[in-house]
Amino acid sequence: QVQLVESGGGVVQPGRSLRLSCAASGFTFSTYPMHWVRQAPGKGLEWVAVISNDGGNEYHADSVKGRFTISRDNSKDTLYLQMNSLRAEDTAVYYCARVMTGYFDLWGRGTLVTVSS
Amino acid sequence: DIQMTQSPSSLPASVGDRVNITCRASQSISDYLHWYQQKPGKAPKPLIYSAFNLQSGVPSRFSGSGSGTDFTLTINSLQPEDFATYYCQQSYSTPVSFGQGTKLEIK
Repeated sequence: QVQLVESGGGVVQPGRSLRLSCAASGFTFSTYPMHWVRQAPGKGLEWVAVISNDGGNEYHADSVKGRFTISRDNSKDTLYLQMNSLRAEDTAVYYCARVMTGYFDLWGRGTLVTVSS
Repeated sequence: DIQMTQSPSSLPASVGDRVNITCRASQSISDYLHWYQQKPGKAPKPLIYSAFNLQSGVPSRFSGSGSGTDFTLTINSLQPEDFATYYCQQSYSTPVSFGQGTKLEIK
């Protein structure tokens, strides 16, 4: 079954770290660029980061640059998002998504990150 | 960075109506424009890619048009399951960006 499954979300205090994972199955993970997209409660979609299929190139949104790092392990078919120095405004559902010719054709169900003291 | 602006933000409509949702880019993005549908508590679902191509499995009452800076998502003969929030997204340049969303509500 073609799917993406995120994990690692939870409640964390401001300033702390969290690592999200996204496990891919049912397709050749190593051939696709992958993204993280987030959605704050009651808000719209915000793109977070992208990584090339081989992991050699990555790009992060200005809002997370220097604090978040996207990575992948193609041997494990897994995408990661390391989130450091978390802020209240990082509270959101985080989705991983596969890109097909520019659009997100496959999404995970999301994992909720709540940053609160 | 490219800004995407959708209108309207909220759209009351009735079952059977035909509705249009527009998306404007801050610069030309050719046809690198995609549409998604999102229901509460669910991940976004792709509807239209590259301005006018229907994603597999999406009903033909959905259609997309436009190029350059102005795009439209049209839904013909609204069905109860179509009441949701719709987002446009550009992939012309990184960072990719989304519109702020249009909530299609029952009138």
